[in-house]
Amino acid sequence: DVKVTQSSRYLVKRTGEKVFLECVQDMDHENMFWYRQDPGLGLRLIYFSYDVKMKEKGDIPEGYSVSREKKERFSLILESASTNQTSMYLCASSNHLDTEAFFGQGTRLTVV
Amino acid sequence: AQSVTQPDIHITVSEGASLELRCNYSYGATPYLFWYVQSPGQGLQLLLKYFSGDTLVQGIKGFEAEFKRSQSSFNLRKPSVHWSDAAEYFCAVGSQGGSEKLVFGKGTKLTVNP
Repeated sequence: DVKVTQSSRYLVKRTGEKVFLECVQDMDHENMFWYRQDPGLGLRLIYFSYDVKMKEKGDIPEGYSVSREKKERFSLILESASTNQTSMYLCASSNHLDTEAFFGQGTRLTVV
Repeated sequence: AQSVTQPDIHITVSEGASLELRCNYSYGATPYLFWYVQSPGQGLQLLLKYFSGDTLVQGIKGFEAEFKRSQSSFNLRKPSVHWSDAAEYFCAVGSQGGSEKLVFGKGTKLTVNP
């Protein structure tokens, strides 16, 4: 069974902390994505990576960075967490042959 | 620019009734179209996808969708809704492979009344 695994289901962090969200996929996919989901706004793309060490900004990259040192792992970094980054974060992956995205279970992040 | 519109934010149906969720897209190339479902607190699960060929596609859980190029639509249907279908549904559009990413609609929340 193919899998995208996010390291935490729920996370509570303090304002100003540096936060790492980890995502691992076991499908040997080239593409990996980080989305943010908020009520009424749907899924908004933060960053994506189409190969190891490659990254591109999505629609809302401000306040975030990413790291992809290995093909299977894609990390989202909140450099200095703020309360407006409280949200559900979804990781996804896809291969270069088709565009179907496979999603992780999501991380509900609360910044207090 | 690519975009996806789901006109209905929230739909309520009775169990056993038929369902149609609307999706309209704007895309310059030949679109690849997807419907995903999200149960509360969960990630997204693929219901069905359309790449080419027969414009009526069958998916999991008894869902189907019809691609209508002339209307730029890809509506999701189910003949008889079950209480377990209550969830949020997302339509998405992309293109063939490569480093392409999906563009998602804002979702339609489905409530099922007993």
